[in-house]
Amino acid sequence: NAGVTQTPKFQVLKTGQSMTLQCAQDMNHNSMYWYRQDPGMGLRLIYYSASEGTTDKGEVPNGYNVSRLNKREFSLRLESAAPSQTSVYFCASTPGRAPGYTFGSGTRLTVV
Amino acid sequence: AQTVTQSQPEMSVQEAETVTLSCTYDTSESDYYLFWYKQPPSRQMILVIRQEAYKQQNATENRFSVNFQKAAKSFSLKISDSQLGDAAMYFCAYRSAAQFYFGTGTSLTVIP
Repeated sequence: NAGVTQTPKFQVLKTGQSMTLQCAQDMNHNSMYWYRQDPGMGLRLIYYSASEGTTDKGEVPNGYNVSRLNKREFSLRLESAAPSQTSVYFCASTPGRAPGYTFGSGTRLTVV
Repeated sequence: AQTVTQSQPEMSVQEAETVTLSCTYDTSESDYYLFWYKQPPSRQMILVIRQEAYKQQNATENRFSVNFQKAAKSFSLKISDSQLGDAAMYFCAYRSAAQFYFGTGTSLTVIP
């Protein structure tokens, strides 16, 4: 089925380790986004890419980097994981201005 | 800055009854979109309904409808004939040109 694919679905990291969350969409969408979801705080935007070749910071970018590898793929990297980055991470995409997001199924990340 | 407020952290409804979830938002823009997303225990974010700000008519999708009050900046979701499968976290979201803003969510319990 067409949509947004995130990998991995679950991950446990030790403090200081690094990892990359992968996201790919096959809907030819221009814009892609990374969010984190924490209890009682809704979804907060980490980074987004309005189009291929561009990336911008969202509300909570510290401790993260992103790469828009091509139109399909948008990865999120934690260089040195911290317990405060324990969260559920969602990737989303949208073709442009009008419609709503299509979300991936999320990655539950635990940093110990 | 745009903000989205959901003042009801938890709600419950009897099966087959009707429930209304509240959402208010703050914006200085005239052109925007509003959404309700459902997040069941599977964690997947599912678009329930959307409303274009320029449309006066309230959006309806089967048992889901909204009461959009633009002047009051209010966007409530009404679920009619509630079913057990409606139990989930519901997020209200506002979209400006580049970003989405999400509320903190309302957890809906459906009582058999």
